[in-house]
Amino acid sequence: EDKVVQSPLSLVVHEGDTVTLNCSYEVTNFRSLLWYKQEKKAPTFLFMLTSSGIEKKSGRLSSILDKKELFSILNITATQTGDSAVYLCAVAGRDDKIIFGKGTRLHILP
Amino acid sequence: DGGITQSPKYLFRKEGQNVTLSCEQNLNHDAMYWYRQDPGQGLRLIYYSQIVNDFQKGDIAEGYSVSREKKESFPLTVTSAQKNPTAFYLCASSTTGTGYFNYEQYFGPGTRLTVT
Repeated sequence: EDKVVQSPLSLVVHEGDTVTLNCSYEVTNFRSLLWYKQEKKAPTFLFMLTSSGIEKKSGRLSSILDKKELFSILNITATQTGDSAVYLCAVAGRDDKIIFGKGTRLHILP
Repeated sequence: DGGITQSPKYLFRKEGQNVTLSCEQNLNHDAMYWYRQDPGQGLRLIYYSQIVNDFQKGDIAEGYSVSREKKESFPLTVTSAQKNPTAFYLCASSTTGTGYFNYEQYFGPGTRLTVT
């Protein structure tokens, strides 16, 4: 059965800290891995990773994929209170099926 | 304005009644998805469709039904057979269709369904 596992499930840090969120997967016919941020209602897209070892960056956020070890990490440097959210990892596999992990709830203390 | 809409925002139903949640997109996306979100569970895939008149079951399809008669629309019916229907339902779309792989999903604002 395909699965996506995120860790930790919950994380509390102080503003300015750097955090690393993890996502491991077992998915048939892997196509892509995606990261989303969910603050209130609808998740918003952060990154899509298809190739191993190529870092994607957007401001203070970055992500990388390891297709050999079947995991990805999402880094956030110099965290701000606005980074508080649930971060979701999703994987697209066979027949374009996209499944999500349970998410990491990140809380940034001022 | 291009986007994906869901209606209604909040829905209340009595147990034993079927209810249909609407999802419309004007992004010209081929693929559409329905997810259910419960506290601490992340998003769980109910059904998805890569092309008009075709759809596949996700991981928790029991008690749900869908149709894809038009590219823009992918309504979800929660039937009385669904044992725990109270949840937050999210619809998404992406450009991915058969043979083309861009999985960035655009999400609607969601419908919160409460069944008593």
